[in-house]
Amino acid sequence: GESVGLHLPTLSVQEGDNSIINCAYSNSASDYFIWYKQESGKGPQFIIDIRSNMDKRQGQRVTVLLNKTVKHLSLQIAATQPGDSAVYFCAETAGSYQLTFGKGTKLSVIP
Amino acid sequence: NAGVTQTPKFQVLKTGQSMTLQCAQDMNHEYMSWYRQDPGMGLRLIHYSVGAGITDQGEVPNGYNVSRSTTEDFPLRLLSAAPSQTSVYFCASSVGLAVSGETQYFGPGTRLLVL
Repeated sequence: GESVGLHLPTLSVQEGDNSIINCAYSNSASDYFIWYKQESGKGPQFIIDIRSNMDKRQGQRVTVLLNKTVKHLSLQIAATQPGDSAVYFCAETAGSYQLTFGKGTKLSVIP
Repeated sequence: NAGVTQTPKFQVLKTGQSMTLQCAQDMNHEYMSWYRQDPGMGLRLIHYSVGAGITDQGEVPNGYNVSRSTTEDFPLRLLSAAPSQTSVYFCASSVGLAVSGETQYFGPGTRLLVL
């Protein structure tokens, strides 16, 4: 079946810099996307979502960009903090209850 | 609210043993689901429920059974554990379907090792 994947398995950034985490998806029918954050030993935590009728959505310090032409999703974290260190997952769905998750990117923030 | 709780946190089983992973939520959510998380792979849906008495299969249901007798509880049963079921299991709940924009709340996970 079609799957969601990530370009980079690990990302290290300096505290205060901006982080960009990328995600590629292959299902052209996907219409809803979610970014999750997972800290060590914990379950995934919702960060932000976006529908396919949008190309950008902003939250608190986070922005999700969606490029449907190239089937690409990105999560931007402004002024990255040590507390942002975690694994980040993208997930997508094409109108069903079932979410397809990417493999995850580990973000490490260097103090 | 305690949110989504899971027990046990960690379990070791021998091949062929059975066990039940417990999941409970106190948010009166209709939708609950079970995922497994394996290294190098994203979370995969095992089973889900859209309300008490209603369950359905996800992407990887083989070897697992579920039931939903109450809104609060959604146990996952392994009838005959296999080493391939070694994984971290997450339970999640939400008010509505993911496609409705409702966020899923995940439990802390159960780490299962099958020898």
